[in-house]
Amino acid sequence: EIVLTQSPGTLSLSPGERATLSCRASQSVSGSFLAWYQQKPGQAPRLLIYGASSRATGVPDRFSGSGSATDFTLTISRLEPEDFAVYYCQEYGSSRSFGQGTRVEVK
Amino acid sequence: EEQLLASGGGLVQPGGSLRLSCVASEFFFHNYAMGWVRQAPGKGLEWVSAITDTGGDKFHADSVKGRFSISRDNSKNTLYLQMNSLTDEDTAVYYCAKGSDTSRPYYFDHWGQGILVTVSS
Repeated sequence: EIVLTQSPGTLSLSPGERATLSCRASQSVSGSFLAWYQQKPGQAPRLLIYGASSRATGVPDRFSGSGSATDFTLTISRLEPEDFAVYYCQEYGSSRSFGQGTRVEVK
Repeated sequence: EEQLLASGGGLVQPGGSLRLSCVASEFFFHNYAMGWVRQAPGKGLEWVSAITDTGGDKFHADSVKGRFSISRDNSKNTLYLQMNSLTDEDTAVYYCAKGSDTSRPYYFDHWGQGILVTVSS
């Protein structure tokens, strides 16, 4: 089973700042089968990124994904008020496991 | 817009059983793999079960293997999760989710609203 470790656990930033979230896999993720989801309190998760770097339909271009093999990154170029949420990565090629999440909170 | 509406949650005693249902609409249900993901109170997401478009292949996390069973009825656009031998560790919000393709690899591109299952005496 591939274990995903996200860091940091919590990111405290102000609106307008850049957010960089990390997702590290315990072994290489084949085919870059890595997705990112956003979850706000009381809501279901929402797909942001798939294939490590492809934005889902309707996702603003301030969200971008990058990386390969064992190291992946989600970047939010300029935080908007609605971006403060919890973000999860998921490997979907084999184990389907999720990372433990990174909370982006208002500083 | 794709819709996923789950039902069947509630309070159940340890050792009991429950069946969750998820009715899909506004997309061709039979063309997509489906899955269940759960979230314990205050915790992160945990993949639970998945099923291919035809229902021919089913997968379960080790934590539920032998106790939970995923199935689907394409004639009713409905996904199911039969949960047996429930323990307090199964207490969570359960999300029904639509896969991006017929079979692996697929990510979950649409999620239902979630339904709460509470296991307690």
